Amino acid sequence: DAGVIQSPRHEVTEMGQEVTLRCKPISGHDYLFWYRQTMMRGLELLIYFNNNVPIDDSGMPEDRFSAKMPNASFSTLKIQPSEPRDSAVYFCASSLRGASSGNTIYFGEGSWLTVV
Amino acid sequence: ILNVEQSPQSLHVQEGDSTNFTCSFPSSNFYALHWYRWETAKSPEALFVMTLNGDEKKKGRISATLNTKEGYSYLYIKGSQPEDSATYLCASTNYGGSQGNLIFGKGTKLSVKP
Repeated sequence: DAGVIQSPRHEVTEMGQEVTLRCKPISGHDYLFWYRQTMMRGLELLIYFNNNVPIDDSGMPEDRFSAKMPNASFSTLKIQPSEPRDSAVYFCASSLRGASSGNTIYFGEGSWLTVV
Repeated sequence: ILNVEQSPQSLHVQEGDSTNFTCSFPSSNFYALHWYRWETAKSPEALFVMTLNGDEKKKGRISATLNTKEGYSYLYIKGSQPEDSATYLCASTNYGGSQGNLIFGKGTKLSVKP
């Protein structure tokens, strides 16, 4: 398996623009996670899905952020409008079962977002 | 402890040195402790998942121990090599927590000088 695939790998955009990050989880994994990595706060969970259904979005910073999972092999994280403080590495991850089952969570290589 | 804390924040060692760093986590309702290795621009790579008090795991020159009663885990690297340079992240999960609820520390950044 190719692992978790994210695109784009790098994006530089202007403040106010819409940003869409994409993720393809590992085939057969029931859980998909979006994390954000910043120097100040480390790695934080934004939202996760189980069988394509959003379960916990309490980590989503505000209404400018939205995530969808239209099918088992694709998810998007959208930021509209983007702001400089959104600059971070956004990781998508997937697992066969959830974190509380002690299962390994597999990460993509991240999307490095810079908002200027 | 309410959060996952890692120390030191960064570490510089010489090739061949052995090193270790610490992860402290909430011990109440503990379920599992995860260690990841993250090289910039690559995926964080899972090293270990540990659940039992006293558990020890080993992968090559890297090993980890777990104390769930006092809420800490140590990661050891024997004979560090330049390719070990990375950020080492730990994360804990708790009973009753969200299935997405891996609480991460901020990592220990290791630099190994040839």
